[in-house]
Amino acid sequence: SYVLTQPPSVSVAPGKTARITCGGNNIETKIVHWYQQKPGQAPVLVVYDNSDRPSGIPERFSGSNSGNTATLTISRVEAGDEADYFCQVWHSNSDHPHWVFGGGTKLTVL
Amino acid sequence: EVQLVESGGGLVKPGGSLRLSCAASGFTFSSYSMNWVRQAPGKGLEWVSSISSSSSNIKYADSVKGRFTISRDNAKNSLYLQMNSLRAEDTAVYYCASGYGIAVAVPFDYWGQGTLVTVSS
Repeated sequence: SYVLTQPPSVSVAPGKTARITCGGNNIETKIVHWYQQKPGQAPVLVVYDNSDRPSGIPERFSGSNSGNTATLTISRVEAGDEADYFCQVWHSNSDHPHWVFGGGTKLTVL
Repeated sequence: EVQLVESGGGLVKPGGSLRLSCAASGFTFSSYSMNWVRQAPGKGLEWVSSISSSSSNIKYADSVKGRFTISRDNAKNSLYLQMNSLRAEDTAVYYCASGYGIAVAVPFDYWGQGTLVTVSS
């Protein structure tokens, strides 16, 4: 089965840039999606197809995918960005295609 | 406005069954794939099952295959998850989420608020 590895936590000061990584074997061959989940709330799609943003998501959120690492970048971090972030890929390289989520990263705004 | 409202959660004994429902509104339900995702208390997201817009393509996580059945009724704008042979490790908040297209391999663009399933004796 395919495994996505995220750091458990990332801390950043307000106004700075946060980078949350998602590691996977040759992940650049896959399409990565990112979700934000605030405490007590449902997840929200913030980046899809590696680097596209749904309507309503600020331009501060961006994504990239290269080699064995996909990255969610949040520029000019605000207190309201504090949340858990999850990466997701569709693993089709098997006879049992399925969705895979990363373990999640808690973003703390200092 | 897109709305997804789950129902049917509750307390059930190990080995028991439960049927979750998800009522959809605000979009053309029959044109989008649908999904179930769960989250155990204090844990991350775990994909459970996906169904294409026409029900022609259905996928399950290994952890639930053979025990859970996903289905949809496009005439009623509803998604279902029949859960049998429930185990303690199935305890979680269950979310329904719509797909960003007709196929199962598309991101989940809208999510419900979830319904809690507790499996305990």
